Amino acid sequence: DAGVIQSPRHEVTEMGQEVTLRCKPISGHDYLFWYRQTMMRGLELLIYFNNNVPIDDSGMPEDRFSAKMPNASFSTLKIQPSEPRDSAVYFCASSLAPQAPNEAFFGQGTRLTVV
Amino acid sequence: ILNVEQSPQSLHVQEGDSTNFTCSFPSSNFYALHWYRWETAKSPEALFVMTLNGDEKKKGRISATLNTKEGYSYLYIKGSQPEDSATYLCTPNYGGSQGNLIFGKGTKLSVKP
Repeated sequence: DAGVIQSPRHEVTEMGQEVTLRCKPISGHDYLFWYRQTMMRGLELLIYFNNNVPIDDSGMPEDRFSAKMPNASFSTLKIQPSEPRDSAVYFCASSLAPQAPNEAFFGQGTRLTVV
Repeated sequence: ILNVEQSPQSLHVQEGDSTNFTCSFPSSNFYALHWYRWETAKSPEALFVMTLNGDEKKKGRISATLNTKEGYSYLYIKGSQPEDSATYLCTPNYGGSQGNLIFGKGTKLSVKP
């Protein structure tokens, strides 16, 4: 398996535009996590899915953020409309059941810059 | 809200120094603790997972211990090298249906040659 694949690696967009970040988890992993890396909060959990179903989205900062997982091999994180304060690196991770000692595998991240 | 604390926030040591840092977490319903290593411009990678009170894991010069009763884990690096420079993250898992992985803010280690 190629690991967790995120796209794009870099995204520069203008304020007000819609941004869509994509993630392909490792095949067979039934948990998928979206994180945002910021100086203030470190690696902040935004939302996670179990078997394609969103379980906890309490970390999603605002209604401008939404995430979907239409099937086991694809997830999106959408920001609409984007704002400069959304600029950050967004990571996707997948794992087997985290209640067991299974490690999470991270994608390379998407660096988002909103100007 | 799960509170995972790591200290210190950052650490600067000289090559050859030994160092350690702490992860503390709620001990109730604890199941496992993971340590991750996160190098700049890369993504976090798992180092250790520990489940039992008193567990000790070792990988080369890096080792970790676990106290589940009081809710803390120590990570030790013996004879630090510049390539050990990274942010070290911890995340606890809990039993039941909790599947979220909440990370501490990490300890950023810089090792000067």
